[in-house]
Amino acid sequence: NAGVTQTPKFQVLKTGQSMTLQCAQDMNHEYMSWYRQDPGMGLRLIHYSVGAGITDQGEVPNGYNVSRSTTEDFPLRLLSAAPSQTSVYFCASSPDPSGTEAFFGQGTRLTVV
Amino acid sequence: QQPVQSPQAVILREGEDAVINCSSSKALYSVHWYRQKHGEAPVFLMILLKGGEQKGHEKISASFNEKKQQSSLYLTASQLSYSGTYFCGTGASGNTPLVFGKGTRLSVIA
Repeated sequence: NAGVTQTPKFQVLKTGQSMTLQCAQDMNHEYMSWYRQDPGMGLRLIHYSVGAGITDQGEVPNGYNVSRSTTEDFPLRLLSAAPSQTSVYFCASSPDPSGTEAFFGQGTRLTVV
Repeated sequence: QQPVQSPQAVILREGEDAVINCSSSKALYSVHWYRQKHGEAPVFLMILLKGGEQKGHEKISASFNEKKQQSSLYLTASQLSYSGTYFCGTGASGNTPLVFGKGTRLSVIA
């Protein structure tokens, strides 16, 4: 099993550009989430989804959009990239929000210049 | 609100023991523990649920004090492979997302 697959692994954007970080899982998990990781800040929740067609905001949602049209995919969109969005982004999936093990993708390292 | 982890960093010699603490201001349903190596994704260690028992995984175990809203991760007879950053994640209920602490950096030296 591939588990959780994120693409791309690395990306450099110019300020104001838009892009989509892809996340796909093959474990048929209902719950998926996006976190960003910055030095000394731990993992902070951006958006999450409890199933296809249902999304909600986490702690730091500003500047990001998500949608969940299928169980497998949960893309994260940056509408107009800013240097403050330079970070490592992790996608995770699990059968439910917090009662079971979360499986993380390998991360996307994004730099906005 | 992020749970608070302590200590922020710790250096051990091989064979020494360590305890990492995780404290929340909210009532908890679950506590997760993950380890992350540099440049890699977090990897699941264990989960403790409200009303559950203390968990163990080889020489790594954890406890969950529901009344105090605290969890502790115990690493005994540490090995070089234990080095990394340890995160606790807390869930207020089965339907709420995990919120992670800022992490504890553990370095094991020979």
